Amino acid sequence: GAGVSQSPSNKVTEKGKDVELRCDPISGHTALYWYRQSLGQGLEFLIYFQGNSAPDKSGLPSDRFSAERTGGSVSTLTIQRTQQEDSAVYLCASSLRVGQPQHFGDGTRLSIL
Amino acid sequence: AQTVTQSQPEMSVQEAETVTLSCTYDTSESDYYLFWYKQPPSRQMILVIRQEAYKQQNATENRFSVNFQKAAKSFSLKISDSQLGDAAMYFCAYRSGPSAGGTSYGKLTFGQGTILTVHP
Repeated sequence: GAGVSQSPSNKVTEKGKDVELRCDPISGHTALYWYRQSLGQGLEFLIYFQGNSAPDKSGLPSDRFSAERTGGSVSTLTIQRTQQEDSAVYLCASSLRVGQPQHFGDGTRLSIL
Repeated sequence: AQTVTQSQPEMSVQEAETVTLSCTYDTSESDYYLFWYKQPPSRQMILVIRQEAYKQQNATENRFSVNFQKAAKSFSLKISDSQLGDAAMYFCAYRSGPSAGGTSYGKLTFGQGTILTVHP
């Protein structure tokens, strides 16, 4: 596609449920990044992929969070047993390769009831 | 670890006037990049301007320019001839350069953001 595509745009779920957020990067971009934007924490880095591997998982806040990328393209961010503090906008970005300018999607707004 | 600080939660400007958004950062690295991103209500982060630390010349993109003071670790954004479409949240961001090594090269570290309002 022309830009980074994220789905769903909005997600409301109950506390304790698992959620999957999807990111479809710009075609040909080998690097993919996940960030979280919340009121209390601002914009924070979660994880990035170079190809299918994740050199830096340091930003994942707990073991309830995981991410994978298959085929060097689409990535999913999974949050298990969601908590209210997980409510945030989850932004995905991609770049041609690591170190190149990052292009962002519109994000997924996640609300935990 | 690197930190980025934006001390102005909100700023406002009259249309056609000039406004400057402040950003300071802390790092022990010598090779890094600095960015200003714009986030309108649509949520999409848009790259406004970037600056390589090794370049002394301040970056300029049309009405947007930066004042990069490396010794002071300051990186302010000046918007000239402000337009209604400039209204948004602006984020200052830092990224390590390739010589930093390790895995920090890929990620952006953001400031808390400044909400810019443009009055007609």
